[in-house]
Amino acid sequence: NAGVTQTPKFQVLKTGQSMTLQCAQDMNHEYMSWYRQDPGMGLRLIHYSVGAGITDQGEVPNGYNVSRSTTEDFPLRLLSAAPSQTSVYFCASSYSRGPNQPQHFGDGTRLSIL
Amino acid sequence: KNQVEQSPQSLIILEGKNCTLQCNYTVSPFSNLRWYKQDTGRGPVSLTIMTFSENTKSNGRYTATLDADTKQSSLHITASQLSDSASYICVVSAGGNNRLAFGKGNQVVVIP
Repeated sequence: NAGVTQTPKFQVLKTGQSMTLQCAQDMNHEYMSWYRQDPGMGLRLIHYSVGAGITDQGEVPNGYNVSRSTTEDFPLRLLSAAPSQTSVYFCASSYSRGPNQPQHFGDGTRLSIL
Repeated sequence: KNQVEQSPQSLIILEGKNCTLQCNYTVSPFSNLRWYKQDTGRGPVSLTIMTFSENTKSNGRYTATLDADTKQSSLHITASQLSDSASYICVVSAGGNNRLAFGKGNQVVVIP
């Protein structure tokens, strides 16, 4: 049981490049989400999904796209990378969006935009 | 705006000693409060989840308390170990959509 797996672990991009951060979970969780973590700030929600085919915006969605074609996978796409998107990105999943559902986090993707 | 404030920002404690971390929140309406542990270079891991009706919950040497009236929570670490060195994040869930508000974390360093 791998939990939440994120790839790659590290990535360096040039401004204007695009890329996809991968996230997969093997717990049959319905709810998945993407966060970014920046120094001196709490985690901020980018996008989330309550099930396959359903996605919605979080607190800081600009510059990012998501899709949820399967229950297991929830990729995050950077359309045109900007230095302000340098951050650590975490994917999380939970059984549902219910009030007492603990979120399971991946170990993050560390992204630098030059 | 929903806010979660944690204190102290960082602390250093001797192995074997106890410590208490504080979390104050202004999130409304309140749904639940969570504490996560985040080791360096890893994702957060859930320690406890408390609803409005719970005022204490333990997970091994970690004990969380909640005072929903004063909107305060604490995380007490008993007999600290070197492996307790981490950031501890307070997260409050708000309202019907359970949107999460994250604190910035308490950075704990345990020294031998």
